[in-house]
Amino acid sequence: DAKTTQPPSMDCAEGRAANLPCNHSTISGNEYVYWYRQIHSQGPQYIIHGLKNNETNEMASLIITEDRKSSTLILPHATLRDTAVYYCIVIIQTGANNLFFGTGTRLTVIP
Amino acid sequence: DSGVTQTPKHLITATGQRVTLRCSPRSGDLSVYWYQQSLDQGLQFLIQYYNGEERAKGNILERFSAQQFPDLHSELNLSSLELGDSALYFCASSVEGQAQTQYFGPGTRLLVL
Repeated sequence: DAKTTQPPSMDCAEGRAANLPCNHSTISGNEYVYWYRQIHSQGPQYIIHGLKNNETNEMASLIITEDRKSSTLILPHATLRDTAVYYCIVIIQTGANNLFFGTGTRLTVIP
Repeated sequence: DSGVTQTPKHLITATGQRVTLRCSPRSGDLSVYWYQQSLDQGLQFLIQYYNGEERAKGNILERFSAQQFPDLHSELNLSSLELGDSALYFCASSVEGQAQTQYFGPGTRLLVL
């Protein structure tokens, strides 16, 4: 079930920040926002997740709006290796049995 | 490297045949998930096993079956293959039964001719 909306594609210049938006206006209070990416034909890779606070790790930052209806994944200094399809997934924190991958955003980092 | 291994990497077979795909989860992970990715369908969840028991089923055809063995490796069996079964098949694993953070293998590319 598609609970998220993402733009189909985006470009970003190498070295610049890539900001990938995601709309999840029907998110419930016990649902988290997870981000995965899939580099061409490789297995998807977990990036980051959050509930309502902003989160940062070595790969990216996640900004969630106060009403939790949207979020933005930020890759602070995009490299060519960040070219991938990025998936925003809304999922309950306990009891979920699988991930639903929508169509994602195809990010192309341009040299 | 996610720690999840899948064999074989590539498989070419004919319609009507049967194949077995194998997955070894990360050390310590009890759950294994299988996904299918075809060009027109995106990533589709097939089935989940947790510590040897089937836990959840997704869009898995009756011609497909899976199992998880006592050593926690898993096999996905695809039979009576059709052209439309050509796809990338990914295995993922997670700690316990939590599906949120999964570690994916490199996939098996199946081509049915």
